[in-house]
Amino acid sequence: RKEVEQDPGPFNVPEGATVAFNCTYSNSASQSFFWYRQDCRKEPKLLMSVYSSGNEDGRFTAQLNRASQYISLLIRDSKLSDSATYLCVVGREKLTFGTGTRLTIIP
Amino acid sequence: DTGVSQDPRHKITKRGQNVTFRCDPISEHNRLYWYRQTLGQGPEFLTYFQNEAQLEKSRLLSDRFSAERPKGSFSTLEIQRTEQGDSAMYLCASSARDSFNYGYTFGSGTRLTVV
Repeated sequence: RKEVEQDPGPFNVPEGATVAFNCTYSNSASQSFFWYRQDCRKEPKLLMSVYSSGNEDGRFTAQLNRASQYISLLIRDSKLSDSATYLCVVGREKLTFGTGTRLTIIP
Repeated sequence: DTGVSQDPRHKITKRGQNVTFRCDPISEHNRLYWYRQTLGQGPEFLTYFQNEAQLEKSRLLSDRFSAERPKGSFSTLEIQRTEQGDSAMYLCASSARDSFNYGYTFGSGTRLTVV
């Protein structure tokens, strides 16, 4: 079983729609949780940290459920510029990345 | 520019040759990480340093791979006797130890093609 599992997609979503990504992780000792965004042939960039209390950054909302070892990302009112691969990331001393979910926003 | 710097950006090499990549982390970051990423996959952990000490190596890091961070500043990753399966993006990242909750900052990567 992979340490971090994500639906690879692709997700093709019309502009303005809401899209949700899910991720599960296997190491219950994990302490840090993130979503990273990666554009084609670029390096991953931190999108947001994820907390049990949930956190929001503009159109993006992330949620952590430690009991279920489950992480989610919600994007509201999607923009063309949101097209990218979204990586679920979990860690303690080092970070472990999921395979990523590819999102394409369609005009 | 105070970001993570990697050199070279691209490297094409013949199978069997040795290659070396360099990473300069953000200056105040004492942790440095190497990852490898192939098409359609997320970054896979290779190794990390805290200052000059190499604290963990993945089993992905075969005997042909070696990494150093001699003075706790820049790091090098060497691959000896390259194989076609080594073709990938090699990513370096850094973090400040006490800022683990803020994630890593990645460099732009070195794209290796073994022909």
